[in-house]
Amino acid sequence: KAGVTQTPRYLIKTRGQQVTLSCSPISGHRSVSWYQQTPGQGLQFLFEYFSETQRNKGNFPGRFSGRQFSNSRSEMNVSTLELGDSALYLCASSFAGVKSEAFFGQGTRLTVV
Amino acid sequence: AQSVAQPEDQVNVAEGNPLTVKCTYSVSGNPYLFWYVQYPNRGLQFLLKYITGDNLVKGSYGFEAEFNKSQTSFHLKKPSALVSDSALYFCAVRDMRNYGQNFVFGPGTRLSVLP
Repeated sequence: KAGVTQTPRYLIKTRGQQVTLSCSPISGHRSVSWYQQTPGQGLQFLFEYFSETQRNKGNFPGRFSGRQFSNSRSEMNVSTLELGDSALYLCASSFAGVKSEAFFGQGTRLTVV
Repeated sequence: AQSVAQPEDQVNVAEGNPLTVKCTYSVSGNPYLFWYVQYPNRGLQFLLKYITGDNLVKGSYGFEAEFNKSQTSFHLKKPSALVSDSALYFCAVRDMRNYGQNFVFGPGTRLSVLP
């Protein structure tokens, strides 16, 4: 059974640019969540999608957005990149429900220069 | 508010010795607790979870965790540590303020197993 796939694995962008990250969940999982991981802030929740609808959003500025497609694949977009956006971005998929564990992809390492 | 604390930034243990990685939590309502491990440049791997039932939960790679409601703790344990267990460990709780749609993670504990 294939795991969660995130592309690309590494990205280098310049301040002010925008970037799109992609996540393919485990087959059958309809919930996809995104997290930002930095040394200073740890793991922080960005947003969660279920059946193409954003169900919940973390405390991030509007420059961070996402969407989910009918096949459950998800993308997140960051516009007007700032140096502080440099981080590991992790996607997680799961079955719906609070008792379900989430399965994480290997992440996309974004570096903003 | 939901929160998770991992009081130790770093835990060092000799190979073959038992290990414990500590976690305490603060939640409203029933706690749904999880442990994840992260190896360098990798995503998080699920180890185990507590939902209800027995306080001792067994998980992957020989890990187990003990849920203690009175102490609001969920410590991760392993009877005999391996060098390959060296990694970053995260305790997490479902954020019930948002109907459990996301996790709240602790800051992580770096485990070093010395040969």
